[in-house]
Amino acid sequence: NAGVTQTPKFQVLKTGQSMTLQCAQDMNHNSMYWYRQDPGMGLRLIYYSASEGTTDKGEVPNGYNVSRLNKREFSLRLESAAPSQTSVYFCASSKPGTHQASNQPQHFGDGTRLSIL
Amino acid sequence: AQTVTQSQPEMSVQEAETVTLSCTYDTSESDYYLFWYKQPPSRQMILVIRQEAYKQQNATENRFSVNFQKAAKSFSLKISDSQLGDAAMYFCAFISGGSEKLVFGKGTKLTVNP
Repeated sequence: NAGVTQTPKFQVLKTGQSMTLQCAQDMNHNSMYWYRQDPGMGLRLIYYSASEGTTDKGEVPNGYNVSRLNKREFSLRLESAAPSQTSVYFCASSKPGTHQASNQPQHFGDGTRLSIL
Repeated sequence: AQTVTQSQPEMSVQEAETVTLSCTYDTSESDYYLFWYKQPPSRQMILVIRQEAYKQQNATENRFSVNFQKAAKSFSLKISDSQLGDAAMYFCAFISGGSEKLVFGKGTKLTVNP
């Protein structure tokens, strides 16, 4: 069972370069999320998608764009990478986006370590 | 906005003993859910336990249990019979009913000494 798969696992970019982080889930979940994790900061929500065709901003959306390509895939794009975006990025998914979606645990991928020089 | 506070950046425990990790949260909501996630050095985020605010009974999962004090807005995690494999970062998280936004604390690093 693959669960949530993120690619790549590691990436080094130069300032100003663009990059797309890929995420796919095989659990038939409607809701998908992107987080960033910085030392001493816990995880912070960047964007989320409650269902196919919808996306919404989280706590720290600036400098990022997302695409919910289909029910399985949710990508995160950095159009012009900045050193402040050096972080570990996690994708997650959870069960159908009904009112009670909040009580369903989120399942996480293994993360992407992104360094921007 | 909801906030989650973990006041212990680091904790240590001897193998086979019990340790309690603290978490407090701030919300005006009455319908919400609380979670503890474990992040070992492998970087995976693993769900440890969850609690529904409307339930008075504290959740338990094998050696893991919580002390949920709704009035005090406190949600501590107790690990009994600690094992070396319990060494990890532990994150407390909160979500309002009907929301998609999970709010995390900053984490507590747990060391288990043999």
